[in-house]
Amino acid sequence: NAGVTQTPKFQVLKTGQSMTLQCAQDMNHNSMYWYRQDPGMGLRLIYYSASEGTTDKGEVPNGYNVSRLNKREFSLRLESAAPSQTSVYFCASEYLLGTAQEAFFGQGTRLTVV
Amino acid sequence: EDQVTQSPEALRLQEGESSSLNCSYTVSGLRGLFWYRQDPGKGPEFLFTLYSAGEEKEKERLKATLTKKESFLHITAPKPEDSATYLCAVQGAGNNRKLIWGLGTSLAVNP
Repeated sequence: NAGVTQTPKFQVLKTGQSMTLQCAQDMNHNSMYWYRQDPGMGLRLIYYSASEGTTDKGEVPNGYNVSRLNKREFSLRLESAAPSQTSVYFCASEYLLGTAQEAFFGQGTRLTVV
Repeated sequence: EDQVTQSPEALRLQEGESSSLNCSYTVSGLRGLFWYRQDPGKGPEFLFTLYSAGEEKEKERLKATLTKKESFLHITAPKPEDSATYLCAVQGAGNNRKLIWGLGTSLAVNP
């Protein structure tokens, strides 16, 4: 099983450039998330999607947009990259059944904005 | 404000030397407390979910416990392959399904 697949794994952007981070899951989960992880800050939620067709802002949504293309795919777009967006980005999908709850993470995208 | 604090920031153990990691939290109505393991260059990997004070869960050398204010991750007779960063997160009643994450404890187990 592939689980959660993120592309690309590494990216260097110049300030002002745009790009889309791709995420796909093959576990038929309804909920998907985008986080960023920075030293000393921990994981912070950017956007999440509780189900296909819905998206909601997390803690740090400014400068980002998302698309829940279908149940499998949840993309994150940086319209005009800034050095402050240099980070490691993780996509996750979530299993929910009754009270059981478990998130599965991708391998991450390491983004540097120069 | 919901908050998660993990201690210590870093811990170095000898193989076989048992210890505990702490996760203190403040949250409005705990819906769940989560433990994850993160290896360098990889995404977090799920370990446990705890829902109510007094609950305990075990997996191999790991045991997680929960009180009303904190959770402990006990590591019994650790091996070098247990070296990783251990992350704690909480979900409050008013947060939809958003998790509040701690900064993690970096564990190194020497052979």
